[in-house]
Amino acid sequence: DTAVSQTPKYLVTQMGNDKSIKCEQNLGHDTMYWYKQDSKKFLKIMFSYNNKELIINETVPNRFSPKSPDKAHLNLHINSLELGDSAVYFCASSQVLSSGGSKNIQYFGAGTRLSVL
Amino acid sequence: DQQVKQNSPSLSVQEGRISILNCDYTNSMFDYFLWYKKYPAEGPTFLISISSIKDKNEDGRFTVFLNKSAKHLSLHIVPSQPGDSAVYFCAAMEFGNEKLTFGTGTRLTIIP
Repeated sequence: DTAVSQTPKYLVTQMGNDKSIKCEQNLGHDTMYWYKQDSKKFLKIMFSYNNKELIINETVPNRFSPKSPDKAHLNLHINSLELGDSAVYFCASSQVLSSGGSKNIQYFGAGTRLSVL
Repeated sequence: DQQVKQNSPSLSVQEGRISILNCDYTNSMFDYFLWYKKYPAEGPTFLISISSIKDKNEDGRFTVFLNKSAKHLSLHIVPSQPGDSAVYFCAAMEFGNEKLTFGTGTRLTIIP
């Protein structure tokens, strides 16, 4: 049973289209993330939600909108896709310790490879 | 500005020998460090971590060393096995900030 699952695994689309990537975790974690891995293999955080609330929002175009219907799901919607959006997008989740401290082990999905033509 | 750097994009090691992967960071506020392993077409999987209050953490064949004064950490794998062939990412975070900052990865190839 996959802990963090993303769909679809591959997404090929035309410039200007709108697309969504879905993410679900069954680990009971309260925090979820979206990362982007670009062509240089640089893995960079985009967003983080804790209990359905946005807590991290990096410098990402507002064409990208995360949506968290509940703490087990964090979907990523992208409007007006551009060539530069082509990348692998990873979803992750973690349980942030109430006692504080940096013990954040994030568990990743298998990634969604987005190709914008 | 890349705050976590892995200067060796690739490394080849003979099976049974020690693999040493290096990572440097620039942000002195980082206090927790992690290594992730990634196979093709899969997501990164957690391998081992270390808090800044320690200088070494060991888990089976994997040991992570932290040198805070040099802002350097390393991952030792001994003995190296063919299944260790993967891309290894170093990552760091600050206390109270759940954002992981990743390095660009080192591709490790274990030669049978």
